[in-house]
Amino acid sequence: DADVTQTPRNRITKTGKRIMLECSQTKGHDRMYWYRQDPGLGLQLIYYSFDVKDINKGEISDGYSVSRQAQAKFSLSLESAIPNQTALYFCATSDLVREGQPQHFGDGTRLSIL
Amino acid sequence: QKEVEQNSGPLSVPEGAIASLNCTYSDRGSQSFFWYRQYSGKSPELIMFIYSNGDKEDGRFTAQLNKASQYVSLLIRDSQPSDSATYLCAVNDDYKLSFGAGTTVTVRA
Repeated sequence: DADVTQTPRNRITKTGKRIMLECSQTKGHDRMYWYRQDPGLGLQLIYYSFDVKDINKGEISDGYSVSRQAQAKFSLSLESAIPNQTALYFCATSDLVREGQPQHFGDGTRLSIL
Repeated sequence: QKEVEQNSGPLSVPEGAIASLNCTYSDRGSQSFFWYRQYSGKSPELIMFIYSNGDKEDGRFTAQLNKASQYVSLLIRDSQPSDSATYLCAVNDDYKLSFGAGTTVTVRA
């Protein structure tokens, strides 16, 4: 089983719909992150969380919200989806041991908004 | 957000050759540097990390770090078709990572 699991893997929906992407991990890491990836633009950080009570905005948080339900679960919501949110979304985790730990990624969710 | 720049691709190399990937970063205080490999449509996979100046070798991969020049590179020796992917450079930004846009490598048989 994957250490970082994202659901759904693919989603097609319409403009204005509310969408939730879920991420769960079995790595025991405290830190969790949500990224989006558009072709040629690398990874852009949406939100991150260092523990259950800690939520922080990333570079491109507008139009998104998150919830850290437990140490192992971190979900991303699009309250009212728009076509330019069509992208590949990744969840990632990292350990708290020291600054500069590598991040470990889930398999991604491909989201298309029509 | 710290800036991370990678050499623009795509980079095409013949099988068996050395592929050289470059990355520069803006924050002189950065301490941790990572290379990820990403196949098309797949998630990034960590292949190398380096914290100290100099070279670090792992199999066919060598990471090189020069903090004075704010430069980190990745060499892939004896390139194989399976190395065809996009390579992402990442630099620590406090307790987050800043990623470059990636360099796409194609190894031709």
